[in-house]
Amino acid sequence: KNEVEQSPQNLTAQEGEFITINCSYSVGISALHWLQQHPGGGIVSLFMLSSGKKKHGRLIATINIQEKHSSLHITASHPRDSAVYICAVDANNNDMRFGAGTRLTVKP
Amino acid sequence: DAGVTQSPTHLIKTRGQQVTLRCSPKSGHDTVSWYQQALGQGPQFIFQYYEEEERQRGNFPDRFSGHQFPNYSSELNVNALLLGDSALYLCASSLAGWGYTFGSGTRLTVV
Repeated sequence: KNEVEQSPQNLTAQEGEFITINCSYSVGISALHWLQQHPGGGIVSLFMLSSGKKKHGRLIATINIQEKHSSLHITASHPRDSAVYICAVDANNNDMRFGAGTRLTVKP
Repeated sequence: DAGVTQSPTHLIKTRGQQVTLRCSPKSGHDTVSWYQQALGQGPQFIFQYYEEEERQRGNFPDRFSGHQFPNYSSELNVNALLLGDSALYLCASSLAGWGYTFGSGTRLTVV
């Protein structure tokens, strides 16, 4: 079993829809990251969370430390949001563990 | 302020050859981590360098080695390349393991 599990693996939405991607982890962590990866491979860090909730534009990330669960929400989705979204955790032994990613396609 | 810079961006090598990938960390960062991302999978941790020493290592064979220089830049070396080494290699820098910034990666193809 992977230490970081994401769901769904693939997600197709219509423009304007509200999107949720989930992440569960089984290791002790100091922080959780949501990353965005576009075709070609470059990774952009969207959020780093250690508790609560963060919002940036149409993106919202939440984390529940007790339940070891985080969600990434995209409101009013747009085709330019199409990318792979990766959940990663800073494990307590000082390395990062990654989920397999969620491939999001937003259709116009 | 430049972020993390990786070079080259693409590389094609023949099975059995050796390859060196380079990473310049974000200004102010002192820790460099390397990851291998196979097609369709999440990145896998290779190793992390801090103060010019390998601090952590993932489950990768000794063919994968690295180095960190006094200016915090880093190299990843892979010897005796296998077809299965074809992947995107990502570098991330941080300050003592906090606040990761990722590079765009080097795509290695082994033929």
